Amino acid sequence: EIVLTQSPATLSLSPGERATLSCRASQSVSRDLGWYQQKPGQAPRLLIYDASNRATGVPARFSGSGSGTEFTLTISSLEPEDFAVYYCHQRSNWPPYTFGQGTKLDIK
Amino acid sequence: QVQLQQWGAGLLKPWETLSLTCGVYGESFSGYFWTWIRQTPGKGLEWIGEIQHSGSTNYNPSLKSRVIISIDTSKNQFSLKVNSLTAADTAVYFCAEGTYRGLEYWGQGTLVTVSS
Repeated sequence: EIVLTQSPATLSLSPGERATLSCRASQSVSRDLGWYQQKPGQAPRLLIYDASNRATGVPARFSGSGSGTEFTLTISSLEPEDFAVYYCHQRSNWPPYTFGQGTKLDIK
Repeated sequence: QVQLQQWGAGLLKPWETLSLTCGVYGESFSGYFWTWIRQTPGKGLEWIGEIQHSGSTNYNPSLKSRVIISIDTSKNQFSLKVNSLTAADTAVYFCAEGTYRGLEYWGQGTLVTVSS
C-alpha cells in the first residue's frame, strides 16, 4: 500500500498570502495524484488531477506540480473561501487507492 | 448536472450489516468507477472499493472479506454492504463517481454509527 504523507499538518496564513502544501508518496505514483478540498460538513471536492491539471471550475489561483514521490499544491493568493482541509490522493497503485492524512489551512 | 444521492441506515449494532445505496442522476452509468469511501477522525479518508458498469469490482484488501459492492444498471444505482460491523466501522460513508481524472462527483455522505 502506498502511504501519502502530507505536510504541514496545519498551515496558518492570512487572506492574500501564498499557500504551499506538500504530499510525499512512499513510492512513485508517476503523475497519478490528485488534490481535494474539504469544508466542514461537505464531501471532498476535486481540485487537481494528474498532478497539475485543474478540474472543471477550479480557479486559476490553484496549481499543482510534481511527479514520482514529491507533489505540491500551491494557492497563489488565499481567498476567505480557501480555508479548508486539503487531501492528496493517489490512483496509481491499487488496491487500495490511498489518501494523505490532510493539511488544515486555517486563518491566521 | 450530475448528482449522487445516497441513503441507508445510520445507526447499527455490532455484528449487523451496513447497507447503503447511491443513486446517480444526470449521468450515463457506463464508463465510470462507482466508488465508496469512508472517513473517520482517526484514519481519515479510506477507499473502500469500486464497481464498473460491467459489474467488475475492486476492494480494499483490509475490508475485502466483509464488503460487497453491487450495481443495478436499470435503476442507475450502486450499493455497499459491510457485514460483521464493529465500532471501528463508525464513519461517514461517501459514494463517488470515479474517472481517470479522479473522484469528480460525490454523494452527500452518510454518518453510520455502530453502537450497542
